[in-house]
Amino acid sequence: KAGVTQTPRYLIKTRGQQVTLSCSPISGHRSVSWYQQTPGQGLQFLFEYFSETQRNKGNFPGRFSGRQFSNSRSEMNVSTLELGDSALYLCASSTYSGTPNYGYTFGSGTRLTVV
Amino acid sequence: QKEVEQDPGPLSVPEGAIVSLNCTYSNSAFQYFMWYRQYSRKGPELLMYTYSSGNKEDGRFTAQVDKSSKYISLFIRDSQPSDSATYLCAMSYQTFRIIQGAQKLVFGQGTRLTINP
Repeated sequence: KAGVTQTPRYLIKTRGQQVTLSCSPISGHRSVSWYQQTPGQGLQFLFEYFSETQRNKGNFPGRFSGRQFSNSRSEMNVSTLELGDSALYLCASSTYSGTPNYGYTFGSGTRLTVV
Repeated sequence: QKEVEQDPGPLSVPEGAIVSLNCTYSNSAFQYFMWYRQYSRKGPELLMYTYSSGNKEDGRFTAQVDKSSKYISLFIRDSQPSDSATYLCAMSYQTFRIIQGAQKLVFGQGTRLTINP
């Protein structure tokens, strides 16, 4: 059974640019959540999508956005990149919405570096 | 103040030692407590999951929750070099039921653990 697939694995962008990250959940999983991981702040929740609807959002500026497609694949977008956006972006999928403690599987992440 | 506090370490112990990892939290609404293990260049993987106060054992791993003190622990017995990783505590106030209004996991900073052969 394939796990959660995130692409690309590594990305280098320049300040002011925008970036789109992709996440393919485990087959059958309809909930996709995104987290940002940095050495200083640890793992912080960005947002969760379930059946193409955003169900919850963390405390991040509007430059961070996402969407989910009908096949449950999800993308997140960061516009006007800042140096502080450099982080590991992790995607997690689960069968049900709102159950992060049940069947929650993380991908390996996308390492974004903003220069 | 962060909702969940975890000493980032690093923590280095000899092989075979008992390891104790801890987190404290401030939100008494948390009901579900988890420990994740994250190897370098990988995403976190669920190691242990407990509900409310009490102990849970799984092989060499024991998770403890003391809700009265808002304190959770993970113990690793007979530690192995393969246990070297970052250990993250996480909590939520979500139930198993499919309900409106998704919840999220709140993570600790993570403790970097090295087991020396």
